[in-house]
Amino acid sequence: DGGITQSPKYLFRKEGQNVTLSCEQNLNHDAMYWYRQDPGQGLRLIYYSQIVNDFQKGDIAEGYSVSREKKESFPLTVTSAQKNPTAFYLCATSTGFEGEKLFFGSGTQLSVL
Amino acid sequence: SQKIEQNSEALNIQEGKTATLTCNYTNYSPAYLQWYRQDPGRGPVFLLLIRENEKEKRKERLKVTFDTTLKQSLFHITASQPADSATYLCALASYGNNRLAFGKGNQVVVIP
Repeated sequence: DGGITQSPKYLFRKEGQNVTLSCEQNLNHDAMYWYRQDPGQGLRLIYYSQIVNDFQKGDIAEGYSVSREKKESFPLTVTSAQKNPTAFYLCATSTGFEGEKLFFGSGTQLSVL
Repeated sequence: SQKIEQNSEALNIQEGKTATLTCNYTNYSPAYLQWYRQDPGRGPVFLLLIRENEKEKRKERLKVTFDTTLKQSLFHITASQPADSATYLCALASYGNNRLAFGKGNQVVVIP
């Protein structure tokens, strides 16, 4: 919220389909992150990027892909290889300095049709 | 294996009382620990950060303690209000690693 826009709020995916979740920020933050949250579970890191044109896998990157062509944007694609994609997806940003807090977007709820 | 444990049972508390939440961790050497608040269907919001060399931090009605010997952080909400009802997440990162790891969160319900 407040400088981080995630869209859409709700997304439905058909079998075998790739879908892309958008994350845009105007906070001028270098670092951006994608987390997945399942009911009753903690946030799990999918991918993160500390600078434009560079990104690293998190703990659960399989079945996902990202790009960081612009500082403001960090889209996440959920590919057909992700067999259990239903979850709440959260994008976050930070300055990138150690110990800095994360700012989160309002999330995208992805469901499978 | 590394673990961050928060109580899975919701904490029901009477308005005006102090709510205390626990965050225990295993196989981490955290440089700092953070607490976030999350409302249903929303992203988490940062509340407090406490560093390894700090024992206690306060912000308005919130207080966090950090005991690296016990490998535990306590989060207190004093004079709790119904508006404090939410899920509270603890998160930590080790030295040289900006990747925050999150606990599952602990729900607080403040009863008027």
